[in-house]
Amino acid sequence: SQQGEEDPQALSIQEGENATMNCSYKTSINNLQWYRQNSGRGLVHLILIRSNEREKHSGRLRVTLDTSKKSSSLLITASRAADTASYFCARGQRGSEKLVFGKGTKLTVNP
Amino acid sequence: DAGVIQSPRHEVTEMGQEVTLRCKPISGHDYLFWYRQTMMRGLELLIYFNNNVPIDDSGMPEDRFSAKMPNASFSTLKIQPSEPRDSAVYFCASRSSGARFNEQFFGPGTRLTVL
Repeated sequence: SQQGEEDPQALSIQEGENATMNCSYKTSINNLQWYRQNSGRGLVHLILIRSNEREKHSGRLRVTLDTSKKSSSLLITASRAADTASYFCARGQRGSEKLVFGKGTKLTVNP
Repeated sequence: DAGVIQSPRHEVTEMGQEVTLRCKPISGHDYLFWYRQTMMRGLELLIYFNNNVPIDDSGMPEDRFSAKMPNASFSTLKIQPSEPRDSAVYFCASRSSGARFNEQFFGPGTRLTVL
């Protein structure tokens, strides 16, 4: 399977704490994207990191990519209750429009 | 822009019935994707189109599933006959090949329950 794994499967933290979610994959990638899904809604794109990049920031989000370890992490700093959602990584491959999604990390931020 | 529009939002049907899910992509987007999401298997790509032409349907589970895109603003995913194991949330997504980032824009999904 081309699917990687996100860990943890579920994460519960207090408001103001940082949340770190990890994504591992098996095949080579062109880019890696992170999406967020609120309960009962579609996925929303958060950030994309290319295979030749190591770190990207967007607001309170920080994404790292280690292609030697085939892994990525998403850090949400100073979390808020509104960050409660499921977070998915999606691998993009060269020469294909396909995105391969993991099963996600369910994040709960308690007020 | 209204975003990706899907209908119906919820569908409950009985085993053996035909089900048609509908999607209107974002205007100007030339790629359209159909996904299925279940707890067991996560989010799976079923098929995607480029300029209304099916490019990769390797994710379509079996012949009971078919998808069409008769024009740039409309696509359907049909299941005939439906089975209880088809129960899932079906998402449509679109993107533009001219976009700076190849992010996909998802619709709200159709929750299908087959009894």
